[in-house]
Amino acid sequence: ELKVEQNPLFLSMQEEKNYTIYCNYSTTSDRLYWYRQDPGKSLESLFVLLSNGAVKQEGRLMASLDTKARLSTLHITAAVHDLSATYFCAVDRNTNAGKSTFGDGTTLTVKP
Amino acid sequence: NAGVTQTPKFQVLKTGQSMTLQCAQDMNHEYMSWYRQDPGMGLRLIHYSVGAGITDQGEVPNGYNVSRSTTEDFPLRLLSAAPSQTSVYFCASSYSLAGGEQYFGPGTRLTVT
Repeated sequence: ELKVEQNPLFLSMQEEKNYTIYCNYSTTSDRLYWYRQDPGKSLESLFVLLSNGAVKQEGRLMASLDTKARLSTLHITAAVHDLSATYFCAVDRNTNAGKSTFGDGTTLTVKP
Repeated sequence: NAGVTQTPKFQVLKTGQSMTLQCAQDMNHEYMSWYRQDPGMGLRLIHYSVGAGITDQGEVPNGYNVSRSTTEDFPLRLLSAAPSQTSVYFCASSYSLAGGEQYFGPGTRLTVT
């Protein structure tokens, strides 16, 4: 059974600080995704990581994937209030899209 | 494109009632999925489909049925609602050759009393 664990589950940051969210998964998989969810809203895709060593960056967020360690990180640089949201990582089972296993999410609060 | 649409946005059911949550996408995606999200938790897969006429169970399928007669539509049926099915339901679609990330609908908030 594929398990996906995120930590921390809750993160309170000061603006302009850096931090990293970790996502560990239990079995081999070819695809890892990061999603963002604002309170009361749906999920939107942030990053798709398809191979070992993949690194993607968008603004103050950077995601990386180490398939050998079964670990992905989401690094936040110089946080701003607009980044406050819940971030989920998800892993596809058996490389089949649409069958993702999600972590429990990391709720990020950025305080001035 | 409208993307992924879901109806209704909110629904209250009594225990034992049945209903269908509607989901449609206009992106010609082959894969569609239903998830439920309970407070403080991630999403759990209920059922998914890899194309018209093909469906399979996910992690928590009990109490739910699906069918997929067209590429666009993927309705989720609750057979006999129970309070444990109180949740937010998300439909999603994806296209494997483009990387596989899922596009989510706005969700249906269901309360079973």
